[in-house]
Amino acid sequence: AQSVTQLGSHVSVSEGALVLLRCNYSSSVPPYLFWYVQYPNQGLQLLLKYTSAATLVKGINGFEAEFKKSETSFHLTKPSAHMSDAAEYFCAVSEAGGFKTIFGAGTRLFVKA
Amino acid sequence: EAQVTQNPRYLITVTGKKLTVTCSQNMNHEYMSWYRQDPGLGLRQIYYSMNVEVTDKGDVPEGYKVSRKEKRNFPLILESPSPNQTSLYFCASSSPPPGGVSAEAFFGQGTRLTVV
Repeated sequence: AQSVTQLGSHVSVSEGALVLLRCNYSSSVPPYLFWYVQYPNQGLQLLLKYTSAATLVKGINGFEAEFKKSETSFHLTKPSAHMSDAAEYFCAVSEAGGFKTIFGAGTRLFVKA
Repeated sequence: EAQVTQNPRYLITVTGKKLTVTCSQNMNHEYMSWYRQDPGLGLRQIYYSMNVEVTDKGDVPEGYKVSRKEKRNFPLILESPSPNQTSLYFCASSSPPPGGVSAEAFFGQGTRLTVV
């Protein structure tokens, strides 16, 4: 069975600092992995996705994530945090050809001035 | 503009009073899904539909019904709501299914439901 674990329900960084949001997954088959962002009072929107083409995936707003099969991880990073990055971030996994997407519990990112 | 539209955005109702949350997408997507979002639990899939007249249970289907009579619409029905169904609900659509190479889910703005 698939599952997703996001380490840390809350992460706080200073503006300009590195953002690192952690995601580990379990899947019995090669997974498709996603990061979504949710701004207050809005739905989720896709940040980036891994679909086996490349292990380092670049997304919108300067975010990127690296797929590490040996560690079953797909951590999200951004070199320099901006105030506008404050939001909740969700990691998700889906199996190829599957119709179910499993979401992590979410990590709320706070950015301090 | 490509979008998924949910209505209503906010709803307060009483236990046992049937309600329907509508969802409509204008992207001609085959796949649609309903999720509920609860603090500390992330999003959990309630039901999904692979195409017209094809639906299946997600992880938390109890107390919910869905129908897919038209490709663009996927309403969520609570026939006898209970307080434990108080939650934030999201509809999403995609094409091809989430496991497809270029799959991306588009989400509605959410419906905040309170059952008293």
